[in-house]
Amino acid sequence: DTGVSQDPRHKITKRGQNVTFRCDPISEHNRLYWYRQTLGQGPEFLTYFQNEAQLEKSRLLSDRFSAERPKGSFSTLEIQRTEQGDSAMYLCATNGVAGGTYNEQFFGPGTRLTVL
Amino acid sequence: DQQVKQNSPSLSVQEGRISILNCDYTNSMFDYFLWYKKYPAEGPTFLISISSIKDKNEDGRFTVFLNKSAKHLSLHIVPSQPGDSAVYFCAASLGRKTSYDKVIFGPGTSLSVIP
Repeated sequence: DTGVSQDPRHKITKRGQNVTFRCDPISEHNRLYWYRQTLGQGPEFLTYFQNEAQLEKSRLLSDRFSAERPKGSFSTLEIQRTEQGDSAMYLCATNGVAGGTYNEQFFGPGTRLTVL
Repeated sequence: DQQVKQNSPSLSVQEGRISILNCDYTNSMFDYFLWYKKYPAEGPTFLISISSIKDKNEDGRFTVFLNKSAKHLSLHIVPSQPGDSAVYFCAASLGRKTSYDKVIFGPGTSLSVIP
């Protein structure tokens, strides 16, 4: 257990429905990342928050995707009008900044999304 | 265009022997490299890292070697144990060249350690 939690762990939905995932980071971590992982691939970067500010979004993040981190603590990732191609594992990771050096990211267990 | 490559999707090793997992990268701007381990139904867990100014970093049974001229790194596990059976991701970071820890992951190598 890394201290990063995600909810739900599994989500099955029908195409066209909206889904929302939640990530609770390690409390002292101010950086939060969302990744998507499909079968046979490594995690792919989606977006990054420093505190409550969303500072970068990947081109993988279409207009149907939106992420928030309203108080700089937990974050939500919403997918509107889901498509079968959205089926994947969605991973949240967090880290902090210590003296300007690189810090490894701590991953949550992920939310597996299946779009029927 | 895959910037971090792990050309072996799987690897099987006898318990007690050495496991060598390889990784190649294309972007010479990467300045920090990491290995993550992933068990089924869990998120990736950080294992070991190396800065581009070094060519070797060791942590217990795990050693990472970096060959910058060849844009190649490898993870050595000695001796291999059945609990090491997992998917291993090589990852690279642009580090201080970006404002945050942007990490690019390879596709992973599934290691099976046979008792």
